[in-house]
Amino acid sequence: ELKVEQNPLFLSMQEGKNYTIYCNYSTTSDRLYWYRQDPGKSLESLFVLLSNGAVKQEGRLMASLDTKARLSTLHITAAVHDLSATYFCAGLSSGSARQLTFGSGTQLTVLP
Amino acid sequence: GAGVSQSPSNKVTEKGKDVELRCDPISGHTALYWYRQSLGQGLEFLIYFQGNSAPDKSGLPSDRFSAERTGGSVSTLTIQRTQQEDSAVYLCASSLFGRTDREKLFFGSGTQLSVL
Repeated sequence: ELKVEQNPLFLSMQEGKNYTIYCNYSTTSDRLYWYRQDPGKSLESLFVLLSNGAVKQEGRLMASLDTKARLSTLHITAAVHDLSATYFCAGLSSGSARQLTFGSGTQLTVLP
Repeated sequence: GAGVSQSPSNKVTEKGKDVELRCDPISGHTALYWYRQSLGQGLEFLIYFQGNSAPDKSGLPSDRFSAERTGGSVSTLTIQRTQQEDSAVYLCASSLFGRTDREKLFFGSGTQLSVL
């Protein structure tokens, strides 16, 4: 059974600073997803990482995947207030084309 | 509509009552998913519908939970004899072909269920 753990669960950071959110998973998952959720809003897909060494960047967010370490990271560069949200990673169990297993989420607050 | 629509957005009920939660997926999406998000937790898979295939009910936590999808579009999640531990946000998502390894899931805003 795939288990996904994120850390930290809560993160407060100053505008302009850099930080990384970590996502560890327990068994083989060669696809890793990152989602963003604003309070009272839908989950928004950010990145889909499909292979070992994959790196994707959009704006101040960069996601990477290391399947050997079973680790994905979401790096935030020069944070701005608009990035405040909850970020979820999710893995896809081997053999399943449907079910995503989500981490508990990281609640990010960017302070002015 | 342009996105996945869920109703009601909030539901408060008494323990032991039945509730129905509704999901309108994006038009044309053949796959529909229900997830549950408890306070401070990640998303827990409940059930998956794909076209006319038998649904994957492997995530339903008990036989008090059931779901149906009529006409390959709207879905209703029913919880019978609600318990306090059922309190959570119930999220619906849809995708075009159901292959989550190739495409995105589009999520609704959820139904916040509170069982008193």
